Amino acid sequence: DAMVIQNPRYQVTQFGKPVTLSCSQTLNHNVMYWYQQKSSQAPKLLFHYYDKDFNNEADTPDNFQSRRPNTSFCFLDIRSPGLGDAAMYLCATSRDLGLAGGQNEQFFGPGTRLTVL
Amino acid sequence: QKEVEQNSGPLSVPEGAIASLNCTYSDRGSQSFFWYRQYSGKSPELIMSIYSNGDKEDGRFTAQLNKASQYVSLLIRDSQPSDSATYLCAVNGWDTGFQKLVFGTGTRLLVSP
Repeated sequence: DAMVIQNPRYQVTQFGKPVTLSCSQTLNHNVMYWYQQKSSQAPKLLFHYYDKDFNNEADTPDNFQSRRPNTSFCFLDIRSPGLGDAAMYLCATSRDLGLAGGQNEQFFGPGTRLTVL
Repeated sequence: QKEVEQNSGPLSVPEGAIASLNCTYSDRGSQSFFWYRQYSGKSPELIMSIYSNGDKEDGRFTAQLNKASQYVSLLIRDSQPSDSATYLCAVNGWDTGFQKLVFGTGTRLLVSP
């Protein structure tokens, strides 16, 4: 089955210790997104890639970086995690941007729960 | 900042009843509208998308869109305890160049047996 996969599902790190979260997709979608979601809050978009074009949200801290080495994989790097970065990190994909009729439906992976000690 | 608003709930309905979830949005240029279901501790799951005014039905789910009133709703017929979850409304709008979704904070639905 075509799907969005995230690894690891649970990540524990220490304050200030870099961490990398990974996302892969077998949907062959052009767009990949990274969201941060805290308890009882809406998902917050951090950035997205359209193919190789990177789009950073204005309020995404510099502490968060992303890489997309190929169509299938995308990584979220947190350079120096703080206690406030503890959250669920969600990867999503869509076939395209902007177009209606199903092209911009976003499909989420299972998420990575990050704990910062 | 364009917004998507939902009543946080919880909305409590008995098993077998119709659950009605509502969402309003502020960006008049919005063109794509989505409902996601999110179980506690899990990721959002797309359950409905709607792009034009009117109703769209899929099994027990019906999405309703009224662009003039900037209102989108989700009806769940014959509600089951397994429908208990948070339902997120998401809108893809003009002011973001249609490049991203704006999510509401969700409505928590509780279906009692």
